[in-house]
Amino acid sequence: IAGITQAPTSQILAAGRRMTLRCTQDMRHNAMYWYRQDLGLGLRLIHYSNTAGTTGKGEVPDGYSVSRANTDDFPLTLASAVPSQTSVYFCASSRDRGQGYTFGSGTRLTVV
Amino acid sequence: KQEVTQIPAALSVPEGENLVLNCSFTDSAIYNLQWFRQDPGKGLTSLLLIQSSQREQTSGRLNASLDKSSGRSTLYIAASQPGDSATYLCAVTASGGYNKLIFGAGTRLAVHP
Repeated sequence: IAGITQAPTSQILAAGRRMTLRCTQDMRHNAMYWYRQDLGLGLRLIHYSNTAGTTGKGEVPDGYSVSRANTDDFPLTLASAVPSQTSVYFCASSRDRGQGYTFGSGTRLTVV
Repeated sequence: KQEVTQIPAALSVPEGENLVLNCSFTDSAIYNLQWFRQDPGKGLTSLLLIQSSQREQTSGRLNASLDKSSGRSTLYIAASQPGDSATYLCAVTASGGYNKLIFGAGTRLAVHP
């Protein structure tokens, strides 16, 4: 089934630890995105990539990094997790600007 | 700065009613507008995508309209069912800058039998 796979589904992480959230799509979409969803704040863009080999910062990039080595994968890394990074993280993709977005099922991360 | 507002924030209706969910945005320079559905604890499911040059899109019992000049979109749900209960999110893609989807806070819909 074409779509986006995120892993893990959920994770409890000790503060200060490093964590990589994985995202893989099989639709050959050019653009990929990472969002976080928090109660009362809605969905906010963390980082994006318009095409393989390029990345950019969204609204809330601090504490996060991404890479886009190929079309299919767009991992999100928390170098040293803090409790304020407790959230639900969604990966998304679109063929190009002006095309619809497809979202993954999310990763629920709790930093303690 | 583009802002997206959804009204009402929550809605509870009996089964069978026709519903209208509202979305407004402050900057009319958009590429497209997309409606999503989110079930509790789940991801976002795309319902309808309206390009900036279009006026409406239909899928089954759902119809979405777009009035770009006035900065408004409506999602019409015909003959609502309990299975329609979810949060509905409206989002616009800005036509300037990078490809960013800007979301409203959503309308939480409950359809009771």
